[in-house]
Amino acid sequence: ETGVTQTPRHLVMGMTNKKSLKCEQHLGHNAMYWYKQSAKKPLELMFVYNFKEQTENNSVPSRFSPECPNSSHLFLHLHTLQPEDSALYLCASSQDGSNRGSWGANVLTFGAGSRLTVL
Amino acid sequence: GNSVTQMEGPVTLSEEAFLTINCTYTATGYPSLFWYVQYPGEGLQLLLKATKADDKGSNKGFEATYRKETTSFHLEKGSVQVSDSAVYFCAHLNYGGSQGNLIFGKGTKLSVKP
Repeated sequence: ETGVTQTPRHLVMGMTNKKSLKCEQHLGHNAMYWYKQSAKKPLELMFVYNFKEQTENNSVPSRFSPECPNSSHLFLHLHTLQPEDSALYLCASSQDGSNRGSWGANVLTFGAGSRLTVL
Repeated sequence: GNSVTQMEGPVTLSEEAFLTINCTYTATGYPSLFWYVQYPGEGLQLLLKATKADDKGSNKGFEATYRKETTSFHLEKGSVQVSDSAVYFCAHLNYGGSQGNLIFGKGTKLSVKP
């Protein structure tokens, strides 16, 4: 256990479904992240939240909608997805998501991921 | 632009063999460099890091040296074990950048046979 818990671990959904991925961290960190991991492609940063404020949105389609109600929880709401959205979605957290913190404050801790399959 | 290039996998080795996974980067300034490892069914974990030229990061028998002149950060281990089977990611972070701006390579899958 890394201290970052993602649920569900596996999700199969149709293109018209609405589902959500959940991430919870027990590390007292202030920054949380969503990454997309697809086969044979580099890890893609999707969203960054620092102290519950969204600080980064890397041109992610609106069918992905993040929510960060507090520094410990992060959601990714999914609707009308496409088959090419099938991937492993990784959540991560760090003590500080800004560029003002020390190096050590910015080390990422990842969850085990949620494997999404869109039919 | 900023990028990381690492050798294509999969890499298959016998136990106790020597491992090298090449990594080169392009970046502005003097980035910090990282190797992350992803074991089957798990998320990524930081394996080692180096924050300035000629630094050597090491952990669990793995080593990598920050070579500014060749913009490289090759991962090495003298004697691999079956338990080292995983996907290895090289990454860099520009000075002053948040961890959300890590640039990752595509990953290299390592399989170690007994």
